[in-house]
Amino acid sequence: RKEVEQDPGPFNVPEGATVAFNCTYSNSASQSFFWYRQDCRKEPKLLMSVYSSGNEDGRFTAQLNRASQYISLLIRDSKLSDSATYLCVVNRGGSYIPTFGRGTSLIVHP
Amino acid sequence: SQTIHQWPATLVQPVGSPLSLECTVEGTSNPNLYWYRQAAGRGLQLLFYSVGIGQISSEVPQNLSASRPQDRQFILSSKKLLLSDSGFYLCACNLGLGTEAFFGQGTRLTVV
Repeated sequence: RKEVEQDPGPFNVPEGATVAFNCTYSNSASQSFFWYRQDCRKEPKLLMSVYSSGNEDGRFTAQLNRASQYISLLIRDSKLSDSATYLCVVNRGGSYIPTFGRGTSLIVHP
Repeated sequence: SQTIHQWPATLVQPVGSPLSLECTVEGTSNPNLYWYRQAAGRGLQLLFYSVGIGQISSEVPQNLSASRPQDRQFILSSKKLLLSDSGFYLCACNLGLGTEAFFGQGTRLTVV
């Protein structure tokens, strides 16, 4: 089983849609979780950290379910500019080493 | 906040040639440093990480090596490149447990 697994997509949605991405991780000792955004041919950039209680940043909501070892990202009111690859990142159990999922591709169309 | 400088941005090298990619960090000290490779359409594969000067951990056996001669300098090298070494190489750093990673702008390497 891979350390971090994501559905690669692509998710093809119209502007204004709500879309949800899921991610599972294998090491129950992992403590730190993040979502990154990567634009084509660019480096990944932090979108948001994921906290145990769940957190929201504008149109973006992240949730963590430790019991199921599952992380989610919800994007509301999708914009054309949200088109990118979204990477789930889990710091390797008990350590500071970031482990990346393969990424989920989102395409928002007019 | 920390800034990572990585160069060159693009590189085309013949098979069998050597490689040296350099990464430097500004705005922090004693960072954890990482080299990742991303093949076309694939995820980020961790190649090496370092928690301090001269300390290198290798994740996968391969044609590459890494060195950390100074606290904020991380170098990726190869003596003889293979076609399979082509990819997008990313240097990253973080500061410890619970902290996010920051990336350099990456080097796109094509081995021909």
